[in-house]
Amino acid sequence: GEDVEQSLFLSVREGDSSVINCTYTDSSSTYLYWYKQEPGAGLQLLTYIFSNMDMKQDQRLTVLLNKKDKHLSLRIADTQTGDSAIYFCAETTVDSNYQLIWGAGTKLIIKP
Amino acid sequence: NAGVTQTPKFRVLKTGQSMTLLCAQDMNHEYMYWYRQDPGMGLRLIHYSVGEGTTAKGEVPDGYNVSRLKKQNFLLGLESAAPSQTSVYFCASREAHRDTQYFGPGTRLTVL
Repeated sequence: GEDVEQSLFLSVREGDSSVINCTYTDSSSTYLYWYKQEPGAGLQLLTYIFSNMDMKQDQRLTVLLNKKDKHLSLRIADTQTGDSAIYFCAETTVDSNYQLIWGAGTKLIIKP
Repeated sequence: NAGVTQTPKFRVLKTGQSMTLLCAQDMNHEYMYWYRQDPGMGLRLIHYSVGEGTTAKGEVPDGYNVSRLKKQNFLLGLESAAPSQTSVYFCASREAHRDTQYFGPGTRLTVL
């Protein structure tokens, strides 16, 4: 079945780059997403990438997709305290009838 | 344009009580979803709807019912609440021909 996996925690120093990784198993992915959830808040769509793209950049965010290895990453440049949140990787696939398949989320901890 | 809204934001129930969570969207989206979020797990789909008057079961539908009498509203009902239903519930919506889902702020439900 479909599966999306992420590390549960990532700790980085303020000002460094953060790289959050995600792996998935379904090769019929259509879109892959990164959602951000700040403490006590809802889910905010950060960015997404179509499955035939390798990279997408949006200001401080860079998404890299390696389809061969089924690996997705989110790089946040110049990490700030406001970036503290849980980051969820998700995909939609043909096999899931375009429902979202979610990772468990990576909690990004910023050290001063 | 409020996007996706959910009421209530918080609720505490006793085992066996019933309640309805309301999701509303003003984006004229066809698809609507109810998820639950539990610690250390990705979001799990409870029920979804592909249009007014239609609903379908997701990954974890047991103990929940839904209704979509109006396009803009998607109701999630718990007929007899159980402690296992303590969770944060998120509603989402999307356009019919786009994959991206937009989320509400969530409802934190505690069942004692």
